[in-house]
Amino acid sequence: GQNIDQPTEMTATEGAIVQINCTYQTSGFNGLFWYQQHAGEAPTFLSYNVLDGLEEKGRFSSFLSRSKGYSYLLLKELQMKDSASYLCAASDSNYQLIWGAGTKLIIKP
Amino acid sequence: NAGVTQTPKFRVLKTGQSMTLLCAQDMNHEYMYWYRQDPGMGLRLIHYSVGEGTTAKGEVPDGYNVSRLKKQNFLLGLESAAPSQTSVYFCASSGVIDRGGETQYFGPGTRLLVL
Repeated sequence: GQNIDQPTEMTATEGAIVQINCTYQTSGFNGLFWYQQHAGEAPTFLSYNVLDGLEEKGRFSSFLSRSKGYSYLLLKELQMKDSASYLCAASDSNYQLIWGAGTKLIIKP
Repeated sequence: NAGVTQTPKFRVLKTGQSMTLLCAQDMNHEYMYWYRQDPGMGLRLIHYSVGEGTTAKGEVPDGYNVSRLKKQNFLLGLESAAPSQTSVYFCASSGVIDRGGETQYFGPGTRLLVL
């Protein structure tokens, strides 16, 4: 079957660094997406990885290991506005996205 | 450029009533999707469309129907609403996806409560 696993909730301190992990199992693989979703709002695109390695985009970075079926999203210099849910989604052989349940990130002052 | 819009934003239905959710996009995207989002679960695909006049079933299609008569619009219908269909419904669109990495853009969501 197809499955995405990510932690339900994480807590971090303003100004710190946090890493949100995601493991996936899909029928075929065409890349890994990370989306951010603030409470009561729509998901918005953060990053896409299809090759192994780290992609850096400002305070956010995303890593992929295809052999391990593993990705992480790294958030640096955390700000209160980063409090949100972070959704991991893998693209399968038909380019359909399989979504994780999301990780709720709570930032404390 | 409004992106993806959805109407209505919120609706309360009684069991057995019907309704249609409307999604519109102005990005000339080929692909459109309807998802539902429930607490503790990932987004689940209900139906999708790869172009005007085409539709296909997703992971959880039962109890829903869709139509894509115009490229910019994707309608989701509930013929006889059930309490299990209480959820937040998101519409999304994307360009051609066979190159991979095509971002999905989401509408603001419709919150549906079925009593």
